[in-house]
Formats: sequence, C-alpha cells, structure tokens
Amino acid sequence: GAVVSQHPSRVICKSGTSVKIECRSLDFQATTMFWYRQFPKQSLMLMATSNEGSKATYEQGVEKDKFLINHASLTLSTLTVTSAHPEDSSFYICSAPLILAGAPRIEETQYFGPGTRLLVL
Amino acid sequence: KQEVTQIPAALSVPEGENLVLNCSFTDSAIYNLQWFRQDPGKGLTSLLLIQSSQREQTSGRLNASLDKSSGRSTLYIAASQPGDSATYLCAVREFTGTASKLTFGTGTRLQVTL
Repeated sequence: GAVVSQHPSRVICKSGTSVKIECRSLDFQATTMFWYRQFPKQSLMLMATSNEGSKATYEQGVEKDKFLINHASLTLSTLTVTSAHPEDSSFYICSAPLILAGAPRIEETQYFGPGTRLLVL
Repeated sequence: KQEVTQIPAALSVPEGENLVLNCSFTDSAIYNLQWFRQDPGKGLTSLLLIQSSQREQTSGRLNASLDKSSGRSTLYIAASQPGDSATYLCAVREFTGTASKLTFGTGTRLQVTL
C-alpha cells in the first residue's frame, strides 16, 4: 500500500533554534499534503495544507511565519519550526492523499506518516 | 465549524468482548468518514473509510456504520483482543471550496485486558 515517511522521527533542540521536518510520499505523488500537531492525550489538529507550486494554507490561529511550509515537489513537503520554544514541543504528523479515479466515484484515502516528536528544551 | 466528538474517551474491556465506539459530528455535509488506529507515540493506521453515500463498511472483526443525517458513526469491534489496545480516532472529510479538510475526533483510548 501507499507509504508516507517522515524525517526525523524524533528531535531534541534548544530554545530559539529552527527545526525542519520532512514528509515524503514514497510511491505516489501528492499535490497536497497536510500537517497536523498532536499534544499529549489530545487529538490531531490540522495546522496547514501544503500545496505543491503555491503557498500553504494555514488554519486559524497557526502562525505562518513560525511554521514555514515548503512543498518542494510532488513527493516532498517540509515543515520548519522557526525559533522553536518549549510550547512548540509536540508530535507533528503529516499526511498525503492517494486519489484513485474510477467508476463509480473518485476515492481519496489519507495516508499518514509515522510522526515526528519534537522536544524543545 | 465542524466538531467531532467521540464517546467514551477511554474504555477497558476483558479479552473476547464485543464493543462499540461512538463518533458524532455537527455538520452532516461530509464527503466521507474514516476510522483510524493510533498506537502510543506512533502515526495513524487507517481502518475503515465510509463514503457519505454508504451506510457501513466491514473489515475482518471491524464494522463501521454511518448515519450521515444524524451525524453519527459507530465502530464495532468483535471478539476484542489485547492487540486491539490503542487509541481509535474518527475523522470526517469536508470540502471547503476547492480544498478538502479532515477534522479529527477526540479519540477513544481502548485497553483490552487478558
């Protein structure tokens, strides 16, 4: 089946540094990818939609200058947490939709990466 | 704004029991609904996807139903096993203009004991 990878799986950094997280669709192309954040014992919250060839769309309350998203190709999206602070510590998960066009309908299934755990000291 | 709620928040059952997890959503104009499993510290595994025009989907011991008009879905797990222990998330997909958005529920943490 479709696979989405994330790198790194875990990162620990000092406050004030920037961290880049990569999301790759390994065997399919995705013009759109999604970035989620999950705090302990909470559900996933959509942060932004990454669009290949255009600007990302951010959800309300998410600072676009802090969470920089670049959809470099049809298989790669990156999320950079700039000037990270301890409150940014969280589990970041990306997803990419696999779209199968056929009768009687177009089916879209989201495939999720394994997540990146960020700890900012 | 779509809100997705799951009940119960946590559930502990002995091995072998059948169980039902509930998911409700406030806006019935959804494209599809998906159930996921998440193991601690891991990503998500898709279990079942129900299109808005469908009533249920089955995969092995799992059966998911959808009542779109009432904004409800259930995930039925038959003959539960310790390996079923995980957090179960439901998510609804909506289209906003040309983009689609997945909104997740609050999750149900399931523990199946020996």
